[in-house]
Formats: sequence, structure tokens, C-alpha cells
Amino acid sequence: QSVLTQPPSVSAAPGQKVTISCSGSSSNIGNNYVSWYQQLPGTAPKVLIYDNNKRPSGIPDRFSGSKSGTSATLGITGLQTGDEADYYCGTWDSSLSGGYYVFGTGTKVTVL
Amino acid sequence: QVQLQESGPGLVKPSQTLSLTCTVSGGSVSSGSYCWSWIRQPAGKGLEWIGRIYTSGSTNYNPSLKSRVTISVDTSKSQFSLKLSSVTAADTAVYYCARDLRYGDYPYYYYYMDVWGKGTTVTVSS
Repeated sequence: QSVLTQPPSVSAAPGQKVTISCSGSSSNIGNNYVSWYQQLPGTAPKVLIYDNNKRPSGIPDRFSGSKSGTSATLGITGLQTGDEADYYCGTWDSSLSGGYYVFGTGTKVTVL
Repeated sequence: QVQLQESGPGLVKPSQTLSLTCTVSGGSVSSGSYCWSWIRQPAGKGLEWIGRIYTSGSTNYNPSLKSRVTISVDTSKSQFSLKLSSVTAADTAVYYCARDLRYGDYPYYYYYMDVWGKGTTVTVSS
């Protein structure tokens, strides 16, 4: 089971805003950078955010990321039907020798 | 632009070894700006990181799989590979390979998965 906890689902109407939380600990989020990935149905994940709040080229500014302590948040504004997907946070966990990467439990976004 | 493609048997018998290859096109597996990861996803479930290999050949593995996993790279073929031994039905999943892009300044480097393969389904069944 994942060490990063996300809400199973969030929903909002088109044009509205949603936020997705990702809760971890000092061994992962608290001392490492967070990335966020979007997985549209039947496709491979795609990175939306890295370094807590940076967007790779081509990712619209409707997507934003933040981190505070041992939690991170993904925000999506101007919600569109095409945003319906599963979203995962991810970060390095330094609790064991060498460390390892961990993903969050995943959140399904539904556009009402 | 760089593309990744997973390949390997879609069906593996219990107790055998699962072997997958990821072919990298449009880029080099030997560039120090990247490392290379394997991730899997059981049907209807979340993502699970399996491990990564750096261009130096060093590796990191998920502690829950470490005793059964080997990731290697073949620069001459622009490929990297995954071997998972003693498989059970619990290893049935879609397996993805991904490129991890390095950023930051020496000696503090960080990575995120910027390019993914489309995934390949592996079923463990007799």
C-alpha cells in the first residue's frame, strides 16, 4: 500500500476549480520534491507538475502545485471535460537505504 | 522526440521469470541527464514504482520487490530491461517504462518521469 494518501475522488462542474491533496511524511514529501501525474482513461500517465510547483513545457497554467510541510496539493482551475482522469502524486522516499520512489493512492476527477 | 516502447511476453506462468524490454528511440540511454524506470499498474488499481537504473549502472528498487527484481541497460541496443522472478498472480499488471529527467544543480539532482511508454499487459497464469 502507498505511503502517500490522496482522496479517492473529487468532482466539480465545468469551469470550476478542484484541489487534490497528497499527504505523506518527513521521509518523503517533507524532504523531497513532489511531482503530479495525470492518467487519462486507457493511457499512460503524463507529468503535470514537478519540483512541487513547476510545469513542464506544454502544460497549461490551469494546473498548479504547492507543498507545505508533509503535504502537497494539485489545483486545477477552469475544469474541462477533458480533465476527467486519475491523478497521482509522487516523490522520493528516503526512509530506507538508497531510497525509493512512491506514488500516491490516486484521485479520480469527475467533471459534473 | 524520444519514444519508449515496452515489449515482452504477455503471458507468464506462475513461479517463472517475467522479462520485459523497453526500447528507446529518438534519444540515448547513455546520457547522464536521464535515468530509466519501470512502473506497473494492476487493473483498476494505482501506480507502483518498481525501480530505476542510472547511466552509471547503479539501481534503486522498490523494497517490496527488491529480492525479485533486476533492471539492466544495454546501451548498444538503446534498451533497458526488467526481470521479475518467481511471479504470482499478484504480478499481473500493465507494465510501463519511463524516462526520468534530471534537474537541479550538482550535487543535488532530482528526477521526474517525463516520457512514458504506452504500457504492456502481462498476465501471470498457468
